[in-house]
Amino acid sequence: QVQLVQSGAEVKKPGASVKVSCKASGYTFTSYDINWVRQATGQGLEWMGWMNPNSGNTGYAQKFQGRVTMTRNTSISTAYMELSSLRSEDTAVYYCAGGGLWGQGTLVTVSS
Amino acid sequence: NFMLTQPHSVSESPGKTVTISCTRSSGSIASNYVQWYQQRPGSSPTTVIYEDNQRPSGVPDRFSGSIDSSSNSASLTISGLKTEDEADYYCQSYDSSNWVFGGGTKLTVL
Repeated sequence: QVQLVQSGAEVKKPGASVKVSCKASGYTFTSYDINWVRQATGQGLEWMGWMNPNSGNTGYAQKFQGRVTMTRNTSISTAYMELSSLRSEDTAVYYCAGGGLWGQGTLVTVSS
Repeated sequence: NFMLTQPHSVSESPGKTVTISCTRSSGSIASNYVQWYQQRPGSSPTTVIYEDNQRPSGVPDRFSGSIDSSSNSASLTISGLKTEDEADYYCQSYDSSNWVFGGGTKLTVL
């Protein structure tokens, strides 16, 4: 089955980091860029950045530069998004998307 | 940099046709492909149109996409509306390799 499956929900304290995974199956992982998008409750979609799974090249939205890192492990067809220095405004559902597919989303809650 | 502007909401009756617009603020709408995503309440987005007017397999042909250079906008048209089409719809295009989203349109089928 062609799909992207993300890791489970996370609860983090302000200032901490979170790392979300996105495992591809049913297609060649290196064929499509992986993009990360987040959505706060009741809000629209916000693009965070992209990663080319073949080269590892990345591009980040200016808003997240210096706080986000996107990586991959091609041996297990998995992409990762790590966001550091978390604050309450980072509470959102985080999605990976690639090749027209979307993951199921990962809720990240930042609370003291 | 450019923005994509969508109407906040639209509503129509079952069986009718609705069109959702997505207007690009600067640069040509034809310069970069436009995608459309459907997001039902509580679910992740799914792709209903890619590369301006292409439908992924499994998306009904009631969904169609187009671009209009005269208005510098893209449109998503849904014909034969069904209650299951009630959702938020987002357009997305590219600024170099960066994704740009419209603000989303809430479609109500009543």
